[in-house]
Amino acid sequence: SYELTQPPSVSVSPGQAARITCSGDALPDHYTYWYQQKSGQAPVLVIYEDSKRPSGIPERFSGSSSGTEATLTINGAQVDDEADYYCYSTDSSDNHRQLFGGGTKLTVL
Amino acid sequence: QLQLQESGPGLVKPSETLSLTCTVSGGSISGSDDYWGWIRRPPGKGLEWIGNIHSTGSAYYDPSLKSRVTISVDTSKNQFSLDLSSVTAADTAVYYCARRRSRSAYAYWGQGTLVTVSS
Repeated sequence: SYELTQPPSVSVSPGQAARITCSGDALPDHYTYWYQQKSGQAPVLVIYEDSKRPSGIPERFSGSSSGTEATLTINGAQVDDEADYYCYSTDSSDNHRQLFGGGTKLTVL
Repeated sequence: QLQLQESGPGLVKPSETLSLTCTVSGGSISGSDDYWGWIRRPPGKGLEWIGNIHSTGSAYYDPSLKSRVTISVDTSKNQFSLDLSSVTAADTAVYYCARRRSRSAYAYWGQGTLVTVSS
């Protein structure tokens, strides 16, 4: 079945750029969305429609998509950005099925 | 401001049915462009999409759970519900309800509720 693939972990120092990738064969045909989930909290949408930022999300969060890979970039990562990040999109062969990537643990230290 | 709140038992026995309700406040569940979903996160694992429903009653489920899942909506109570049958320990998770607009992602989430499957 269709899957979205993310690296399990990414680690950066404070102030560095963090990049998290998401790959899937259907990404050229469907938008990618990105969620941030901190421990014990509900997920928060940080990027929608590949590259748009909801109100209230800091400008250091950005998204891009090219071919079968989407990327979430956090410019000048802060300790407070440490969280699990998930990409989200639509199945390649079943437009009603939604799915999440496996998640990436971002460590900032 | 739209708010969602999950409710239901925190402990379910193996082979029984897990039942949760999501109560929506601050907006109507009958919006023509809205889909109401259930997502879970097992301990130590990532987010899993379970399925969603439109206020008309049209429901869609993840194929891996389809044989055991039913999502229903009660527009008179502004609620929607999840039933997951024949549960095992693998169904232990924090369960979230959430809303998405058509062709978009889930922007509004409940706080989540932990359901443990154990005898």
